[in-house]
Amino acid sequence: DSGVTQTPKHLITATGQRVTLRCSPRSGDLSVYWYQQSLDQGLQFLIQYYNGEERAKGNILERFSAQQFPDLHSELNLSSLELGDSALYFCASSTPTGGSEKLFFGSGTQLSVL
Amino acid sequence: GENVEQHPSTLSVQEGDSAVIKCTYSDSASNYFPWYKQELGKRPQLIIDIRSNVGEKKDQRIAVTLNKTAKHFSLHITETQPEDSAVYFCAASIGPGANNLFFGTGTRLTVIP
Repeated sequence: DSGVTQTPKHLITATGQRVTLRCSPRSGDLSVYWYQQSLDQGLQFLIQYYNGEERAKGNILERFSAQQFPDLHSELNLSSLELGDSALYFCASSTPTGGSEKLFFGSGTQLSVL
Repeated sequence: GENVEQHPSTLSVQEGDSAVIKCTYSDSASNYFPWYKQELGKRPQLIIDIRSNVGEKKDQRIAVTLNKTAKHFSLHITETQPEDSAVYFCAASIGPGANNLFFGTGTRLTVIP
């Protein structure tokens, strides 16, 4: 167990809908990252939050947004969903060590858009 | 930005044989190189990492080597076992923050009993 909690594990919805994915980082970790992994694809970095503030953006669509709350949990909001948004969404947390990031991933949310 | 290439994309070995996965990176400023293992349907897990001031690191049956001059690093798994079957991702980091951590495209390793 990595200590990173993601809910829900599975989500099935229809095109055009909006969903919210939730992540709680490891105790003491200030950074939360969101990644998208499509079938047989690598890990695509979406966005990073650090202590409540957006720190970095990757390949995140404008239909997607995220936030990190004072208790450091984070939510990823996906709206106007399309079939191509079906993927495994991972949250990860870290505390910088020695100038680099050791990421600890949650178990992921499998999103299926029908 | 950094570009990480990983080869091969798939690899099959007989149980007990060794497996080698290679990655190259483009940015000479990269100084941290982790490897993640992702079993089917599960989360990526950090299995070993190496910093740029070290040429080799071992942990039981796995080892990572780094050649800074050539800008490539490799994962070596010896005495492979069926439970080593997974997708392995290399990554290179040029500094703190996930925006500075770049993943390879993954290698699907299958260990045949």
